[in-house]
Amino acid sequence: DTGVSQDPRHKITKRGQNVTFRCDPISEHNRLYWYRQTLGQGPEFLTYFQNEAQLEKSRLLSDRFSAERPKGSFSTLEIQRTEQGDSAMYLCASSLAPSGSNNEQFFGPGTRLTVL
Amino acid sequence: QKEVEQNSGPLSVPEGAIASLNCTYSDRGSQSFFWYRQYSGKSPELIMFIYSNGDKEDGRFTAQLNKASQYVSLLIRDSQPSDSATYLCAVRGTYKYIFGTGTRLKVLA
Repeated sequence: DTGVSQDPRHKITKRGQNVTFRCDPISEHNRLYWYRQTLGQGPEFLTYFQNEAQLEKSRLLSDRFSAERPKGSFSTLEIQRTEQGDSAMYLCASSLAPSGSNNEQFFGPGTRLTVL
Repeated sequence: QKEVEQNSGPLSVPEGAIASLNCTYSDRGSQSFFWYRQYSGKSPELIMFIYSNGDKEDGRFTAQLNKASQYVSLLIRDSQPSDSATYLCAVRGTYKYIFGTGTRLKVLA
């Protein structure tokens, strides 16, 4: 296992379409995070899973966004009825629940979404 | 007040010099502090983390933490043109990581 992977790496869609992104975390990591990043900004927290439980979802996230991590392994992020303002890099990251110093968070390569 | 603040830069330093990047945070309950490097169009890459007050060195990088002043810094010694990137400061509370907007560093050859 070489790290966090995300698929697809790029997605171009038309406004109003639904899109789904996948994230495979580092295999022993039980925490998984989704972030959104736009140009000139840092990653913005979207949601967080510990194992299969979604423990927090950003209040900034509309009901069009949903995420799942059904078996505590990979996760999907779905955006329904996409809008141009959804265009961004969507980043997935994983970490171990803190145990000593083992809570470093590692990012995948990201999925760049362009909504036309 | 933003939760994690960084000067957006750009910070320009000559090759071989020390680059000093700074970050302040607002939540006194923050437990862990991270520095990520991000090249244009790429995802953030973890380069340093620190949990205790003081300095932590790793190669050319030194992270400094002062919890009383709510201040974290990153020093890059012998800066190289390949260090040119955006450096993101991240702060973790119980489980959530909050990122600053990043400081863009330019190392001039």
